[in-house]
Amino acid sequence: QLVLTQSPSASASLGASVKLTCTLSSGHSSYAIAWHQQQPEKGPRYLMKLNSDGSHSKGDGIPDRFSGSSSGAERYLTISSLQSEDEADYYCQTWGTGIQGVFGGGTKLTVL
Amino acid sequence: EVQLVESGGGVVRPGGSLRLSCAASGFTFDDYGMSWVRQAPGKGLEWVSGINWNGGSTGYADSVKGRFTISRDNAKNSLYLQMNSLRAEDTALYHCARGATACDYWGQGTLVTVSS
Repeated sequence: QLVLTQSPSASASLGASVKLTCTLSSGHSSYAIAWHQQQPEKGPRYLMKLNSDGSHSKGDGIPDRFSGSSSGAERYLTISSLQSEDEADYYCQTWGTGIQGVFGGGTKLTVL
Repeated sequence: EVQLVESGGGVVRPGGSLRLSCAASGFTFDDYGMSWVRQAPGKGLEWVSGINWNGGSTGYADSVKGRFTISRDNAKNSLYLQMNSLRAEDTALYHCARGATACDYWGQGTLVTVSS
């Protein structure tokens, strides 16, 4: 079964960097994912599509501070030079064969 | 500018029906698959359904299979979600999103409340 696992919470200081993790279920380590940001009281915003080889394509207007990387079944989102507006929920998403979508449970990022 | 505007939400009794619509603009609609994603109050995102560019292929979450039907009208640049046999657990903000794989643009959502 295709499942994405995320830690419920993370925190980092203003100006620092943070690395969020999304883990694909067993047997699905080659799958691409997408990262989305949801700021408080706002709709989701697409950040990037991240492939298993670490290559990624970002959405329109996404700052260079946001980057992605991959290792095995792990997909990472790194945010550098943290700003207050980066405090948000971050979701990973993937898709199976045919039309079948899955979201991770989300990580709530607190900027200290 | 890509825009996705949902409508059709409201309050409905358990067992009732609603039809959601999503008006798309700013891109060539029939070049893209589309998705519906929902978010229950205080909860995370849940993929609900997706459809390919011409409506020939669709998919549903197990939680809605047999009750919801996704469709599209490319001549009207519109996406739909027919929701039948609604349950309290279907209460959520329903977002339309571009893409049947990675969702790269999102609408602001329409609220569906199922309550007696």
